[in-house]
Amino acid sequence: GDSVTQTEGPVTVSESESLIINCTYSATSIAYPNLFWYVRYPGEGLQLLLKVITAGQKGSSRGFEATYNKETTSFHLQKASVQESDSAVYYCALGTGTGGYKVVFGSGTRLLVSP
Amino acid sequence: NAGVIQTPRHKVTGKGQEATLWCEPISGHSAVFWYRQTIVQGLEFLTYFRNQAPIDDSGMPKERFSAQMPNQSHSTLKIQSTQPQDSAVYLCASSPQGYSQNTLYFGAGTRLSVL
Repeated sequence: GDSVTQTEGPVTVSESESLIINCTYSATSIAYPNLFWYVRYPGEGLQLLLKVITAGQKGSSRGFEATYNKETTSFHLQKASVQESDSAVYYCALGTGTGGYKVVFGSGTRLLVSP
Repeated sequence: NAGVIQTPRHKVTGKGQEATLWCEPISGHSAVFWYRQTIVQGLEFLTYFRNQAPIDDSGMPKERFSAQMPNQSHSTLKIQSTQPQDSAVYLCASSPQGYSQNTLYFGAGTRLSVL
């Protein structure tokens, strides 16, 4: 079946340092899945951070970027300079393509940014 | 727009009792999803409705779980004869059309504790 594997947390980074959270996927039901990063900030609900539905494209939001790499089946999340407010749990997710509806989530990566 | 509303936020039941969880999707969204989140299993898909019709309940434990969507403004997840292993956070999400490239809008979740 479809699955997502991401960096096991917690990941601890100092403020202003760079960040990468790895995400790789296996899509057996669809050749070109939709890819997402969702985030849960403390005390808030799960919400979309960014998405990319076309292979080779890059998505960005709030200073975060992720590029859909079909060759390596990866969708790593990166940020050049993190802030304390980025402390949250990040989930990589895979959607089963146009016309499909199911979204499969990774296990989540807790990010702790120290001041 | 109030977002997806889930009630109650916390529910404690005794083993063998029934639990009913409520979800009010965002007005105008035609798709409703239920997920269950545990530390061990992560975010698991349970069931999906589109235009109130049940489309996929492949993630639902068959014997004791049931979900309904009697009208476009709410959905319920009912667990009969609750067991300790049912303890989890149950998340409801809605999306505009239900296709996997659409953003999922999540509620805050209901934390179910079975004693």
